Amino acid sequence: DAGVTQSPTHLIKTRGQQVTLRCSPISGHKSVSWYQQVLGQGPQFIFQYYEKEERGRGNFPDRFSARQFPNYSSELNVNALLLGDSALYLCASSLAGTGGSRETQYFGPGTRLLVL
Amino acid sequence: GNSVTQMEGPVTLSEEAFLTINCTYTATGYPSLFWYVQYPGEGLQLLLKATKADDKGSNKGFEATYRKETTSFHLEKGSVQVSDSAVYFCALRMVSGGSNYKLTFGKGTLLTVNP
Repeated sequence: DAGVTQSPTHLIKTRGQQVTLRCSPISGHKSVSWYQQVLGQGPQFIFQYYEKEERGRGNFPDRFSARQFPNYSSELNVNALLLGDSALYLCASSLAGTGGSRETQYFGPGTRLLVL
Repeated sequence: GNSVTQMEGPVTLSEEAFLTINCTYTATGYPSLFWYVQYPGEGLQLLLKATKADDKGSNKGFEATYRKETTSFHLEKGSVQVSDSAVYFCALRMVSGGSNYKLTFGKGTLLTVNP
């Protein structure tokens, strides 16, 4: 079975532009989470979606938004890009996105965004 | 809030050496604990997990025991290989107490194993 897939793999944008990142979860998984990993740091939680509803949001500005589609794939949008948005953006999928002991988040390879 | 603290890296070892990467956590409640590994240029892979106190997670020769009394989840391996060179992240996730089941990560520890 395919794992979590993300596109594009790399992206270069300039300040002020907008970007859309895409994620397809593992087949059968209904929850998608997004994380930002700045170079040299651990991933930071941005959003979690389950059944197209936002379940949680991290400490990120309103320039960051996301949505989940009926097929459970997801998009992360970032507006008015800043240099500090340069990072690896990771998508993770899980069955139901709950805290149950059998729940595990599986990560995709990430999209590396560079803002110039 | 919840947080994870890992030992500062980088850690450099010779092949077949013993590995310990320390991890302690702070949480209001009873989290599940995880170790993820990130190979160069790749995303995160789950290495092992433990969901309750005294549980031992293990995989590929790596082990970690959930110690509630010391709020720790140290990663160990008896004999490292060059292929273990990667960044290791300790993480927690709350099992209850809210609708947001995000992972909270430590800053990561870079391990380099030399032949």
